[in-house]
Amino acid sequence: AQSVTQLDSQVPVFEEAPVELRCNYSSSVSVYLFWYVQYPNQGLQLLLKYLSGSTLVKGINGFEAEFNKSQTSFHLRKPSVHISDTAEYFCAVSEMGAGNMLTFGGGTRLMVKP
Amino acid sequence: GAVVSQHPSRVICKSGTSVKIECRSLDFQATTMFWYRQFPKKSLMLMATSNEGSKATYEQGVEKDKFLINHASLTLSTLTVTSAHPEDSSFYICSADTGAGSYEQYFGPGTRLTVT
Repeated sequence: AQSVTQLDSQVPVFEEAPVELRCNYSSSVSVYLFWYVQYPNQGLQLLLKYLSGSTLVKGINGFEAEFNKSQTSFHLRKPSVHISDTAEYFCAVSEMGAGNMLTFGGGTRLMVKP
Repeated sequence: GAVVSQHPSRVICKSGTSVKIECRSLDFQATTMFWYRQFPKKSLMLMATSNEGSKATYEQGVEKDKFLINHASLTLSTLTVTSAHPEDSSFYICSADTGAGSYEQYFGPGTRLTVT
């Protein structure tokens, strides 16, 4: 069974500063990797996903993530954050051949301050 | 494309009553739908996976007689919380995928259930 760890429960950052949200996973098989964003009282919106190919994945809203197989990581980055990026961010994995079942990390609350 | 809706968005019910939450895929056929529960400031916990026309598969610890899931068509799944209690208060989110070859789940906006 796979597991996902988001090391930081909260990340405060000033507007226009860069940010990295960390995600590590463990699995005995190959995985697909996802980052979702959740605004208060809303569902999840897909930011980006890694299925195969280039390990650097670009998503919406200026976010990108890099898959590092040797470190089993999939950290999310943005070079310059906005106030509107304040939200909860979830890393998730699904194992190949497991029918798209997602396992979520605990979430990281990004708090962008003016 | 790939829009999932949930109804209602918010519901308040009295303890002991039952409440039904609907999850619809609006512009695609959902082979599989997933139901999650989210506690305040917590991550999503998978409750069950449902395939159209068959019984749902529940995760360990989820009472199937309390959380009834019906996936009657390729565009509709329902979650019924029976004999609700205050501890069932939570944010319930559904998602759907488009079947074989799809690697992504599309999430609904969630339903806030409050049991008084």
